Formats: sequence, structure tokens, C-alpha cells
Amino acid sequence: AQKITQTQPGMFVQEKEAVTLDCTYDTSDQSYGLFWYKQPSSGEMIFLIYQGSYDEQNATEGRYSLNFQKARKSANLVISASQLGDSAMYFCAMKRVRGAQKLVFGQGTRLTINP
Amino acid sequence: NAGVTQTPKFQVLKTGQSMTLQCAQDMNHEYMSWYRQDPGMGLRLIHYSVGAGITDQGEVPNGYNVSRSTTEDFPLRLLSAAPSQTSVYFCASSYGALTSGVSYNEQFFGPGTRLTVL
Repeated sequence: AQKITQTQPGMFVQEKEAVTLDCTYDTSDQSYGLFWYKQPSSGEMIFLIYQGSYDEQNATEGRYSLNFQKARKSANLVISASQLGDSAMYFCAMKRVRGAQKLVFGQGTRLTINP
Repeated sequence: NAGVTQTPKFQVLKTGQSMTLQCAQDMNHEYMSWYRQDPGMGLRLIHYSVGAGITDQGEVPNGYNVSRSTTEDFPLRLLSAAPSQTSVYFCASSYGALTSGVSYNEQFFGPGTRLTVL
């Protein structure tokens, strides 16, 4: 079985600072994918970034990067130069690489950016 | 492209009533899924489909039925609503692994349906 753990229920950060959201995972699969999604107060789920277990480099998408440490089974999201619009819930999720898109989600971290 | 659409946006039911949550996508995605999100929790998979005519259970399937007669549509049926089914429901879709030239990693989510069962 796959499991995602996000240990930070809430985080408060000053605008323009970098922020790291923690995610650890557990799986017996050799091939898997890790995701981060953003859920603003409006409720929609917004895909941010993806990392495959065999990708040698950490994924980056604009201000988002994924700090992937396979041996430690961690996939932390780093947001550089935070903005007020980054305030939202953030979910880490994983799935097997092949087969149906059966995502397993963590409980989420509520990020608040202060001006 | 409309992407993934869900109707209704809001619904209030009485215990024991039945209803169908609608989900449609216009991206020719093979895979479609239903998730529920309860307060303070991440999304949990209810049912999923890997193509027309093929469905399977996810983590929390009890009390829900699905069918997939077309590629585009994936309705979720509540047979006899219970207060424990009060939740926000998300439909999602993605390309299948056999679709070449595209990333099959990203799931596209609908806007959600907020369901309250009294």
C-alpha cells in the first residue's frame, strides 16, 4: 500500500521568502510518481509539479521545485520568492507509474503568506 | 476545450434519497476517477475507469456506483444517501499510458460538487 505523510498542518511565511513544504511517502513499488497540487480557497485542484522515481534531476516548474530524496523517501515542495497568491492548501500525492491514475493524497498543508 | 466539467456545483439531499453526480471531459482522456474530500483530509479515491466499459473500485467505494458507457462521461451514483457522504466530490481525468506523445502524469480535475446530506 502507498501512503503519503504531510506533517505540517499549517505554515506562515513572510512574502518574498522561500518556503519548503514537507512530504514523506511509503511504497513498495520501484516505479512511482510524486505530485504536488495547490487548492486555493476557491476549491479547485491545480497541478503544480511532477517527479518520477527514476528521474535523476529534481523537477522544476517556474518558482516551484521538488526536492526529491529517494533514499529518505521524501519529496518536499520548495516555493521560491513566495507571493500572496501562494496562500492555499497544498497536497502531496503519489501513484504507480503504470496503470490507472490512482492517486494517494496526503492530508495537506495550509500555507499562509503574510504581507 | 471545456476540460473537466461537473454538475451540479452544490446539492442538498435528505437521507435515503438517490442522485447522480455528472462528470464529463472533452479531452479524449482514457482514465477518469472520482474522489471525495472531507474536512482536514486529502482526496480519497472512490471509483476509477481506464476506458469505456471498464470500471473498478478505489479506496472508499461503498455506497457509490459508477458506469462508463462513453469516453466522455463518468457519472457517480449515490444509491441511498447517508450523512457520512456529505463531502466535496471531484472528478478527474488523464491520458492513458498507451497515448503516445503526451504526458500521462497529470490528472485534470473538475471544479468539484459540494454535497450535503441531511
